[in-house]
Amino acid sequence: EVQLLESGGGLVQPGGSLRLSCATSGFTFSSYAMSWVRQAPGKGLEWVAGIRGSGTSTYYADSVKGRFTISRDNSENTLYLHMDSLRVEDTAVYYCAKSIPLWSMDYWGQGTLVTVSS
Amino acid sequence: DIQMSQSPSSLSTSVGDRVTMTCRASQDIGSFLNWYQQKPGRAPKFLIYAGSSLQSGVPSRFSGSGSGTDFTLTISSLQPEDIATYYCQQSYSSPLTFGQGTTVEIK
Repeated sequence: EVQLLESGGGLVQPGGSLRLSCATSGFTFSSYAMSWVRQAPGKGLEWVAGIRGSGTSTYYADSVKGRFTISRDNSENTLYLHMDSLRVEDTAVYYCAKSIPLWSMDYWGQGTLVTVSS
Repeated sequence: DIQMSQSPSSLSTSVGDRVTMTCRASQDIGSFLNWYQQKPGRAPKFLIYAGSSLQSGVPSRFSGSGSGTDFTLTISSLQPEDIATYYCQQSYSSPLTFGQGTTVEIK
């Protein structure tokens, strides 16, 4: 059974940093691209970042480029999102998602809430 | 960036009705179009990929169609458990983008 479990969310001040983790099981982690998708309170879905299975290629939304870094540890089956220079508008539930070819997202975690506020 | 637009933003219907919603891309995306269902307080669920292919385990009352810029998600006979918000997403190019969602409610 495929499982994705996010952690690391919480309250942080504007300008601060946070690292999210997504522990996975039930599939060959290194064979699949992974994505982070966020959802601000009461809003729709916004793709944040993606990384190929090997970790050699990464992709970002313009809204986070230069501030967020996606990475993965294929030996630990874990995906990460390092977030710097956080803004109030980064407040959202952050989901990790397993991506099948052509960047469809077939499995999602339950999400972790990041709140940026002073 | 490719913009995705969904209509209507919400619809109110009855159990057993046929429900149709549309998704339009700002440029040709071929069949690189996916659909997701999200219930309140839950993570999204993957329904349809490549415009019209049903994900394993998804009920056959769901179907997708379209290519190029115009796509449709249809629920042939609405069930109470289908009350949710539905999102389209293009996977043609980065950045991946979602539509703003269509919320399905029961009359």
